[in-house]
Amino acid sequence: EAGVTQFPSHSVIEKGQTVTLRCDPISGHDNLYWYRRVMGKEIKFLLHFVKESKQDESGMPNNRFLAERTGGTYSTLKVQPAELEDSGVYFCASSQVGLYGYTFGSGTRLTVV
Amino acid sequence: LAKTTQPISMDSYEGQEVNITCSHNNIATNDYITWYQQFPSQGPRFIIQGYKTKVTNEVASLFIPADRKSSTLSLPRVSLSDTAVYYCLVGDHGGGFKTIFGAGTRLFVKA
Repeated sequence: EAGVTQFPSHSVIEKGQTVTLRCDPISGHDNLYWYRRVMGKEIKFLLHFVKESKQDESGMPNNRFLAERTGGTYSTLKVQPAELEDSGVYFCASSQVGLYGYTFGSGTRLTVV
Repeated sequence: LAKTTQPISMDSYEGQEVNITCSHNNIATNDYITWYQQFPSQGPRFIIQGYKTKVTNEVASLFIPADRKSSTLSLPRVSLSDTAVYYCLVGDHGGGFKTIFGAGTRLFVKA
C-alpha cells in the first residue's frame, strides 16, 4: 500500500509569506496527526484529526497555524504569516484504530528566511 | 503525559546485539510502549510495540518488566544500516497521539 505522502518535501519562504503543507494519509486511515521538529529540538505533537474532525489541537503553537482535513482524506497545514521560528521539519502520520503504531511521512522541511 | 528517558547515543559493531533501555516511570495503566526508528531526512518508522512481558517480531524484541517503568529494545544482530535514531514512546495503542518524542538514542553501528 502507498505510504503517507507529504509535499512539498522542501519549502523556502520569506518571513511574512504564507505556506501550505499537504499530507495524504494511507487510504482508510481515520487518524491523522501533525508533528514538527524545530531546529535542535524534539519532535512535538501539533494536532490530531479523526476523519475530518479535530480531536486535539492543543499542540498548535499559535493562531498563525491552521489545519484542515476536508472530507476526512488529505490534510493541509497553513502557516500565515510565517515567522523565522516556524522553520523546521513538519511530519504527518496516520493510523487506523486497532493497528499498531503510526506511519509517518518523510516530512516537509520548511525554511523561513 | 508519560515522559521517557533514553541514552543519548550508543556505539556498536556489525553483528552484535544492541539493547537500548528506556525509562518511563510515570507510565499509565492503559499506556503502550512503542519504539520508532528514524533515518536522516525520513519520518520515524514503527519498529515494535508492547504492553507487558516480551514481544518479538522479525526485526526486534521488546522486553518490559512487571512494573512497566522501563523497557528494553533489543536488536539481535545489527548491521551498518541500523545506524539511526531510536525513539521510545509511551501512549495509546496507536503509539500515543500526544506522546512526547524525547531526544531518542542515536545508534552508530561500525564495521
